[in-house]
Amino acid sequence: DAGITQSPRHKVTETGTPVTLRCHQTENHRYMYWYRQDPGHGLRLIHYSYGVKDTDKGEVSDGYSVSRSKTEDFLLTLESATSSQTSVYFCAISEEGFYGYTFGSGTRLTVV
Amino acid sequence: DQQVKQNSPSLSVQEGRISILNCDYTNSMFDYFLWYKKYPAEGPTFLISISSIKDKNEDGRFTVFLNKSAKHLSLHIVPSQPGDSAVYFCAASAREKLTFGTGTRLTIIP
Repeated sequence: DAGITQSPRHKVTETGTPVTLRCHQTENHRYMYWYRQDPGHGLRLIHYSYGVKDTDKGEVSDGYSVSRSKTEDFLLTLESATSSQTSVYFCAISEEGFYGYTFGSGTRLTVV
Repeated sequence: DQQVKQNSPSLSVQEGRISILNCDYTNSMFDYFLWYKKYPAEGPTFLISISSIKDKNEDGRFTVFLNKSAKHLSLHIVPSQPGDSAVYFCAASAREKLTFGTGTRLTIIP
């Protein structure tokens, strides 16, 4: 039922290289979010967007940047990948912003 | 500073019995609470929610209880079924963001 897709699904990259993950939605929702999931930490918010060109930081934003030039796309960039950024990254969308999140299937990123 | 805590990393329950998953929070500004279910290699999916003005919400086999004075919520699943085996995250909302707990892995034993 998609409505939200993440690409790539898997990626292996080297330490120090830049990496961009893409989240694409077809629901025209206002809010988009990037979370990372790690054992023992659950899901932690990296950045979120409340409209085109409107973004804000989450609790673990260091080393990450985002951009949203169109309603449907939210990009997450690791400026210089480190091993600590090895994780599963989830994008989520929401119409209201405080409930009803729909998550993508995730991107598994490995930094070697 | 973990604002939403799930102190049980795992839970095993016999099929047909009740599963009770617990969650504690520290931020009194949270006004909406949710439970998400996650299967391996998939994104979390919404299960059930409750507003801070209520103390109980029921949806089929799933019931969420909220005790605001104790800053505690729980998810009851009855009867438990094998398909309920998954990781369950509680989440709390303040304004535009959800804060998630660390998750509890529920295993239903046939």
